[in-house]
Amino acid sequence: QKEVEQNSGPLSVPEGAIASLNCTYSDRGSQSFFWYRQYSGKSPELIMFIYSNGDKEDGRFTAQLNKASQYVSLLIRDSQPSDSATYLCAVNMFQFGNDMRFGAGTRLTVKP
Amino acid sequence: DGGITQSPKYLFRKEGQNVTLSCEQNLNHDAMYWYRQDPGQGLRLIYYSQIVNDFQKGDIAEGYSVSREKKESFPLTVTSAQKNPTAFYLCASSPTGTEDTDTQYFGPGTRLTVL
Repeated sequence: QKEVEQNSGPLSVPEGAIASLNCTYSDRGSQSFFWYRQYSGKSPELIMFIYSNGDKEDGRFTAQLNKASQYVSLLIRDSQPSDSATYLCAVNMFQFGNDMRFGAGTRLTVKP
Repeated sequence: DGGITQSPKYLFRKEGQNVTLSCEQNLNHDAMYWYRQDPGQGLRLIYYSQIVNDFQKGDIAEGYSVSREKKESFPLTVTSAQKNPTAFYLCASSPTGTEDTDTQYFGPGTRLTVL
């Protein structure tokens, strides 16, 4: 079983819709969770991180964490064509120190 | 401006050559990392360093070497022992003791191609 799994996509949504990206992880003791956006040919850029169960909102982005289900998601409201990118989920296995595991990413396309 | 720089942006290597990729950060981050990204795959950790003069192997360290002589710098050497080095190489750094402790921030990357 892969440590961090994401649907590779492509996920296609119309402009203005909500895009929902999902990620599951295998290590129940994982402590912190990250979403990165990566445009083609570029490096990943941090969208947000979440440590506690529940929702965390930042502008049009909402991260949702459910540790019992080992599931983290990212919602993008009012999707724009500029949101078209690959979204990487990353999970840190430790509370202190760093053992980050990345998913392979979900490719999102927002159609005008 | 604070950030992470990597150079060169593109690098071409001949068979049997060693090449060194540069990574510099002025964010005062303690930890630095090197990843490799291949098409359709997640990032794979090559080496990481939590403090100066100390570094640890990641999942795919064979054929690579690093040094950490300064806090700001973490160069990666791709040796001739690395049989399939063509990939996108990403350097990252992370802070400690802050709200975003252990959050990794990435440089722009170096794309290495073997001729």
